[in-house]
Amino acid sequence: GENVEQHPSTLSVQEGDSAVIKCTYSDSASNYFPWYKQELGKRPQLIIDIRSNVGEKKDQRIAVTLNKTAKHFSLHITETQPEDSAVYFCAASLSNTGGFKTIFGAGTRLFVKA
Amino acid sequence: GAVVSQHPSRVICKSGTSVKIECRSLDFQATTMFWYRQFPKQSLMLMATSNEGSKATYEQGVEKDKFLINHASLTLSTLTVTSAHPEDSSFYICSARPAGGRYEQYFGPGTRLTVT
Repeated sequence: GENVEQHPSTLSVQEGDSAVIKCTYSDSASNYFPWYKQELGKRPQLIIDIRSNVGEKKDQRIAVTLNKTAKHFSLHITETQPEDSAVYFCAASLSNTGGFKTIFGAGTRLFVKA
Repeated sequence: GAVVSQHPSRVICKSGTSVKIECRSLDFQATTMFWYRQFPKQSLMLMATSNEGSKATYEQGVEKDKFLINHASLTLSTLTVTSAHPEDSSFYICSARPAGGRYEQYFGPGTRLTVT
């Protein structure tokens, strides 16, 4: 079946360093790729997303890149801060509204050490 | 702004009974709401997408007769787990997309369902 692989499962960085999380997807028809952040015990937050007609999107310290040919997309966090510590989930969706055939990655636990 | 609430936060029910979970957007109108399951220390699983006034679109493998979703107004969606079984025990989370907000999404705090 369709799936989304996310790596690494755990990532530890020093405050100020960059963090990169990668996801690959199998359904070439996927056209919407959101990223979610979930702090321990809290609800998820949609932090950034990208559509298939765009190769890169940036929002302050967060950026996402998409390579449709290779079917992978990545989350980049620069100048990491302790409050960036959380679990990050990627997802690949067939619709461009985030619903319908949305498959999530298993998550990456990011630790930012002060 | 953009607050989503869920009720109840926790519910315990007996096997075979039905449970209704409410998801409300408190300060905005939501044309689309999403329902997810999340198992402990695991990823999210999208169950269905509901648009106000129309039938929900269920993800593959999700039984629509078991998980009844109603999105009767722009601020309320409900998920009813019918004939609940212990394997339905999970954390159910909703999210809401504001009217006109094509990619925004705000999550509720979740409902922990335990079926005994």
